[in-house]
Amino acid sequence: AQKITQTQPGMFVQEKEAVTLDCTYDTSDPSYGLFWYKQPSSGEMIFLIYQGSYDQQNATEGRYSLNFQKARKSANLVISASQLGDSAMYFCAMRPSFGNEKLTFGTGTRLTIIP
Amino acid sequence: EAGVAQSPRYKIIEKRQSVAFWCNPISGHATLYWYQQILGQGPKLLIQFQNNGVVDDSQLPKDRFSAERLKGVDSTLKIQPAKLEDSAVYLCASSLAGQGRPYNSPLHFGNGTRLTVT
Repeated sequence: AQKITQTQPGMFVQEKEAVTLDCTYDTSDPSYGLFWYKQPSSGEMIFLIYQGSYDQQNATEGRYSLNFQKARKSANLVISASQLGDSAMYFCAMRPSFGNEKLTFGTGTRLTIIP
Repeated sequence: EAGVAQSPRYKIIEKRQSVAFWCNPISGHATLYWYQQILGQGPKLLIQFQNNGVVDDSQLPKDRFSAERLKGVDSTLKIQPAKLEDSAVYLCASSLAGQGRPYNSPLHFGNGTRLTVT
């Protein structure tokens, strides 16, 4: 069974500062993928970034980067130079690389950017 | 490319009534998912289809929920009869992931259907 833990229910960050959203996970699968999604107040889930468990480098996508520490089973999302439009719910999710590919989500972190 | 389409956007019904949601995935996506997202929680998988076969429905309350994916494209999710605790956003997603396709393919979500049961 997989489990995703996001311990920060809410965060407030000043505009233009960097922010780190925490995610830890537990799985018995030897190979898996980690995903981050953004959910604005409008409700749609927007894919941000992906990290494979055997990827040698941490993933980056524009202002988003993933601080992946496999031994600690953590996959924190880092947003650089935060913007007002970054205010949203952020969900960490994981999926085994093989098998039924079920994507399991954490409980989310609500990020609010302060002007 | 067109995204995942869902309808209706909102639905309000009384308990014990029935309701149906529709989803049209991204063209060519073999895998389709229905998630339930209760307010303040992360999405929970209800059912996963690969083409028109069910891959996982372990968390679908089968006494009241049903889903089908005809011809491996569109899908409908039905609740009959609805309960108060079914109030949630129902998200449909699709993905290229599946046999012979990249396992790291992200899920693409629709805008969801917000269901309120009174």
